[in-house]
Amino acid sequence: QKEVEQDPGPLSVPEGAIVSLNCTYSNSAFQYFMWYRQYSRKGPELLMYTYSSGNKEDGRFTAQVDKSSKYISLFIRDSQPSDSATYLCAMGAAGNKLTFGGGTRVLVKP
Amino acid sequence: ETGVTQTPRHLVMGMTNKKSLKCEQHLGHNAMYWYKQSAKKPLELMFVYNFKEQTENNSVPSRFSPECPNSSHLFLHLHTLQPEDSALYLCASSQGSSDGYTFGSGTRLTVV
Repeated sequence: QKEVEQDPGPLSVPEGAIVSLNCTYSNSAFQYFMWYRQYSRKGPELLMYTYSSGNKEDGRFTAQVDKSSKYISLFIRDSQPSDSATYLCAMGAAGNKLTFGGGTRVLVKP
Repeated sequence: ETGVTQTPRHLVMGMTNKKSLKCEQHLGHNAMYWYKQSAKKPLELMFVYNFKEQTENNSVPSRFSPECPNSSHLFLHLHTLQPEDSALYLCASSQGSSDGYTFGSGTRLTVV
């Protein structure tokens, strides 16, 4: 079993829809959780960083962490074609390197 | 320049060539990383440097040789590569191991 599981997609949605992404993990030592966005031919860029269970909101983006279920989510409201990218979850334990999911490719169609 | 800069952006090399990838960060971070990203695979961590000391080598073949002369610069020296080494090589930096990483745009390597 992989430490972090993420559906590769592609996930295709119409413009304006809510995009829902998630990752599951097996290592209960993970304490901090991140979401990265990667456009084609670019490196990943950090979108959201959370350190505890619950919700964190930033503009159109909401990150959710459920440590009891070992499940994290990213929601994108009012999706735009410019949100088309690959989204990677990442997580780590204190003092340790990050472990990345494989990424989910998202396509937002005008 | 700001952020993490990687050069070259693209590289085509033969299996007998020797080349180097360069990474420079202008963020004052203490940790730097090399990752390999192949199609349909998760990011693969290759090397970690903290305060210019190598702290992790993730069972990387010796044909990949990293060098970190100071906290701002990181190199990946390549020699006698194989076609399966073709991938996007990403450099990243962070202030600490628990902080978010800042990635460069990567070097797209093709081994022929």
